[in-house]
Amino acid sequence: EVQLVESGGGLVQPGGSLRLSCAASGFTFSNYWMSWVRQAPGKGLEWVANIKHDGTEKYYVDSVKGRFTISRDNAKNSLDLQMNSLRAEDTAVYYCARDLYYGSGSPLCDHWGQGTLVTVSS
Amino acid sequence: DFVMTQSPDSLAVSLGERATINCKSSHSVLYSSNNKNYLAWYQHKPGQPPKLLIYWASTRESGVPDRFSGSGSGTDFTLTISSLQAEDVAVYYCLQYYRTPRTFGQGTKVEIK
Repeated sequence: EVQLVESGGGLVQPGGSLRLSCAASGFTFSNYWMSWVRQAPGKGLEWVANIKHDGTEKYYVDSVKGRFTISRDNAKNSLDLQMNSLRAEDTAVYYCARDLYYGSGSPLCDHWGQGTLVTVSS
Repeated sequence: DFVMTQSPDSLAVSLGERATINCKSSHSVLYSSNNKNYLAWYQHKPGQPPKLLIYWASTRESGVPDRFSGSGSGTDFTLTISSLQAEDVAVYYCLQYYRTPRTFGQGTKVEIK
């Protein structure tokens, strides 16, 4: 069974930093692209970033470019999201998700974790 | 970026009746080289992660009940729940994965009338 467990969320002041982690199990982690997707309170879903199975390609939504960094450790079956220069509008539940990629277009998420809440407030 | 617009924002349907959700993309998501529409549908219930229901616009994910169906091509798509059940109460999102950044519709909330 695919399992994705996020951790690292919490309350942080504007301008601060936070590192989210996702522990993956139940599948061969090193074979899959992975994503972070977020949902702000009362809002819809927003894809944030993804990373190729070998870590050689990374993509970000414009609103987080230069502030967030996605990374992975295939030896530890883990995915991270380093978030710097956080803003109030980054407040959201952040989901780790497994991507399916068919060789063209963009991947899509087929399994999701339960999410971790990040609150950016003074 | 591709803008995905869903309609309606919410709908209330009686148990056993049909629910229909529309999704319109600002650009075609039909890939000419393989004739596939890069459009997916998700179901999101409170306190749970989103669940993939449909991909390639009309292919049901394994384990998804056959009362859920997807249709459409190019820029206009529909998710239909043929006979609404109580457990179908959720917010439904369409997603285009034709191009990065992949983008979601704003969501449609489905409730029981």
